[in-house]
Parts: sequence; C-alpha cells; structure tokens
Amino acid sequence: EDQVTQSPEALRLQEGESSSLNCSYTVSGLRGLFWYRQDPGKGPEFLFTLYSAGEEKEKERLKATLTKKESFLHITAPKPEDSATYLCAVQAGSGGYQKVTFGTGTKLQVIP
Amino acid sequence: GAVVSQHPSRVICKSGTSVKIECRSLDFQATTMFWYRQFPKQSLMLMATSNEGSKATYEQGVEKDKFLINHASLTLSTLTVTSAHPEDSSFYICSAAGTSYNEQFFGPGTRLTVL
Repeated sequence: EDQVTQSPEALRLQEGESSSLNCSYTVSGLRGLFWYRQDPGKGPEFLFTLYSAGEEKEKERLKATLTKKESFLHITAPKPEDSATYLCAVQAGSGGYQKVTFGTGTKLQVIP
Repeated sequence: GAVVSQHPSRVICKSGTSVKIECRSLDFQATTMFWYRQFPKQSLMLMATSNEGSKATYEQGVEKDKFLINHASLTLSTLTVTSAHPEDSSFYICSAAGTSYNEQFFGPGTRLTVL
C-alpha cells in the first residue's frame, strides 16, 4: 500500500527564518510527486510537480527537491503570508489508473 | 493554472435528505475528475475517480450507492450524498485533470453539515 508521511506536523517560524518540510514516500511505480498549499476552509492550491530523483523546482520563496525516498520543500526567508498547510501527494501505478495519495500535511505558521 | 468551481460552497441539511454537489472545470476539458473527502485536521482521502461517460471507480470502503457520482460531460461532475447522516458531515473537494494525470486542479470545496 502506498504511504506518504510528512514531517513535522506543525512548524512555527519567525519571519525570515528559513526551514524545510519533509515528505517521505513508499510507493510502487512513482509517476509524480506533488506539493500543494492549503489555506483553512479552502481547496488545495497546486505548487509543484516533481517526476524524477534529482529534480528541483522553484517558485518565489519555495524550492522543492526530490530523491528516491523523499521530497523536501525549502522555504527561504518566509513571510507571514506563507502561513498555510503544505500537502505532499504522490501519484503511482501504471496503466490508465494512477492513484494519488496525500500526506497529512505540515501546518506552517510564520510569525512577524 | 486551470480553474475548477464547486457549488454549493456550504450546505446544511437534515439527516435523511440527499445533497448534490457540482464540480465544474471552467476553462479546460476534464477527462477525469476526482472526489475527495477531508475530515478536520486530516488529509484528503480519495473517494472515487470518474471518467467522462463511464462509471466511477470507488475506493475501498466508499459506498457507491450512498455517494452517487455522475460525470456527464467534460466539464461537469456531480456527487450526490444520498440519505445523508451526521457522520457524512465533512469537507468535500473535487479535482479535475486533463489528458495527463500529472496535474490535478482542485475546486474550492463544499462544507457539508448534516444535522
């Protein structure tokens, strides 16, 4: 069974204090790893897709990296508006049905 | 990114009634739509996957007779919660994908409260 584990569950940072969120996964036939941001009471907002080990993607203060077992979401000099829950998801399988499994998320709070 | 809408955004109903939630892809053709459920402080759990014009594929433990899914067109999928009970109260989120599964675009969600 596919498993996605995110750590830490919650993270509190001072504004400007860089850190990383972790997403560990155990799947058969990884097709893609996704990062989403979710604000309270809203649907997830797509951030990145990573396909293969060694791949990196950046967007403003966020940078996502991927290895064969885990992914990191690096947040550089965060601002209060970066406060949200960050979800990791993996897409695995073969053929026409490729299930996406979500982790439980990391709740990030950035304090001014 | 692509835009996906859901309606209604919030619904409160009495136990035993049925509730229909609509999911629309506004600016692209969604060959596949997904329905998720999210309980408080938990992550998204996939309920079912639907392809336009065919029957939905339900995840293990999800009652297909209780959660009716119709994907009638490339831009619209509906989820009907039949005979809703308080334990069905949750945040229901749909997502839509085009010809590639590599990106799913999520709707804003529907908060269902069953009294």
